Amino acid sequence: DAGVIQSPRHEVTEMGQEVTLRCKPISGHNSLFWYRQTMMRGLELLIYFNNNVPIDDSGMPEDRFSAKMPNASFSTLKIQPSEPRDSAVYFCASSLSRDSTNTGELFFGEGSRLTVL
Amino acid sequence: GENVEQHPSTLSVQEGDSAVIKCTYSDSASNYFPWYKQELGKRPQLIIDIRSNVGEKKDQRIAVTLNKTAKHFSLHITETQPEDSAVYFCAGAIPPYGGSQGNLIFGKGTKLSVKP
Repeated sequence: DAGVIQSPRHEVTEMGQEVTLRCKPISGHNSLFWYRQTMMRGLELLIYFNNNVPIDDSGMPEDRFSAKMPNASFSTLKIQPSEPRDSAVYFCASSLSRDSTNTGELFFGEGSRLTVL
Repeated sequence: GENVEQHPSTLSVQEGDSAVIKCTYSDSASNYFPWYKQELGKRPQLIIDIRSNVGEKKDQRIAVTLNKTAKHFSLHITETQPEDSAVYFCAGAIPPYGGSQGNLIFGKGTKLSVKP
C-alpha cells in the first residue's frame, strides 16, 4: 500500500480564496483524522471520521472549515474563505480500529503545507 | 476533555547520553499512550506505545513508562545517536464510546537535538 496520500503537498493562496485539501486513507482503514500543525499550537485534531461518519468535529476552528468523507477512500477538508492565520501544515491520518475499545496506530500522510497570503 | 502536557519543549544531549521526555494527562479514563517521532519536514510516525494495563514497555533503545496514579508517562531513549534528533510527540486517548474510534490528543512536542 502507498500509505495515506494527501494533495496538494503545497498550496499558496490569497486571503479570501477557497482551499480544498484531499486525502486518500490506507485501504481497509476505518478511521480518518484531520490534524493541523503549527509551531505555536502543535498538532491539533480538527475532525475525525469512523466508517465515513463524522464523530467529533469540535476541533474545527470556525464555520469556515468543513470536512467530508463521501466514501471509505476519500476525504476533503475545505476552508472558505481562507485567512492568513490558517497557514499551517494539515495532516490527514488513518487507522484501523479492530474493535470498539482498540485505538489503533495512526498512519499520517505527508501533509499539505498551506500558505495564505 | 483530555489535556496532555509535555516537557521539556526542547532538549539537547550529547551523543551516547540518555534523553527523557515527560508527559502528563488529565483524564483518568485515558488508556492508550503512543509516542510519535517527526523528523524535519516529514510526517509523524509511531515509535512506541503503551496501554494502561502495562507499567513499562521497551523496544531496543527506547522505553516508555506509565504511572496511572500520577497520570504521567515518559519516553526514555538510551545511547542517543544523531539520527534520534527529531520532534517527539506524546499522546493520550480516551476509550471510544458508542463503538466509534477514540481520538488522540497530542502534547505540544519536544525537539530533541543529539550533538555528535
